[in-house]
Amino acid sequence: AQSVTQPDIHITVSEGASLELRCNYSYGATPYLFWYVQSPGQGLQLLLKYFSGDTLVQGIKGFEAEFKRSQSSFNLRKPSVHWSDAAEYFCAVALAGATNKLIFGTGTLLAVQP
Amino acid sequence: EPEVTQTPSHQVTQMGQEVILRCVPISNHLYFYWYRQILGQKVEFLVSFYNNEISEKSEIFDDQFSVERPDGSNFTLKIRSTKLEDSAMYFCASSGMRSQETQYFGPGTRLLVL
Repeated sequence: AQSVTQPDIHITVSEGASLELRCNYSYGATPYLFWYVQSPGQGLQLLLKYFSGDTLVQGIKGFEAEFKRSQSSFNLRKPSVHWSDAAEYFCAVALAGATNKLIFGTGTLLAVQP
Repeated sequence: EPEVTQTPSHQVTQMGQEVILRCVPISNHLYFYWYRQILGQKVEFLVSFYNNEISEKSEIFDDQFSVERPDGSNFTLKIRSTKLEDSAMYFCASSGMRSQETQYFGPGTRLLVL
């Protein structure tokens, strides 16, 4: 069955430090890949997406992610974290087909220390 | 910037009661979705809707659930007889002209069943 794994439930980084959030997927073909962010009490905001082409994708708020087919990974990175980045981050895959339903990982909660 | 809106933001109901959650998708979008997130768990797909009919539904979406697009702007999720385990955050999403397009999420409705 298709699945998305985010191995880190909770991460704490210092403001200004670099960040990498891991995401691995299990799927027979290359899915469409997404990162969403959820701030407390808010909905899900799209950070970036990968459909095809360049495997390094740029998103909003200075985030980027790299698709590595050989590792079935789509890790999210940011070179310098800001306090406002504290939120929960969800990796998701969309299965190509008629409905494009999203399958989400369990999320990584990011805390940012001053 | 267009956005998906949902009402109410919070709803408390008694077990066995019917609830209707409302969503206004982005106006030129054609694909509509409901997801839910039980507290502390991942976001789960419930149902997708296109061309006035359900495209796909998950195992969670049993006979107690129904969706409707009663007019040109609203998209509703009805739970006929709520159970305690229906307590969750319910997210509506919409996407554009093709199924393989980014889904934009609303802020969610937090449902509490007592």
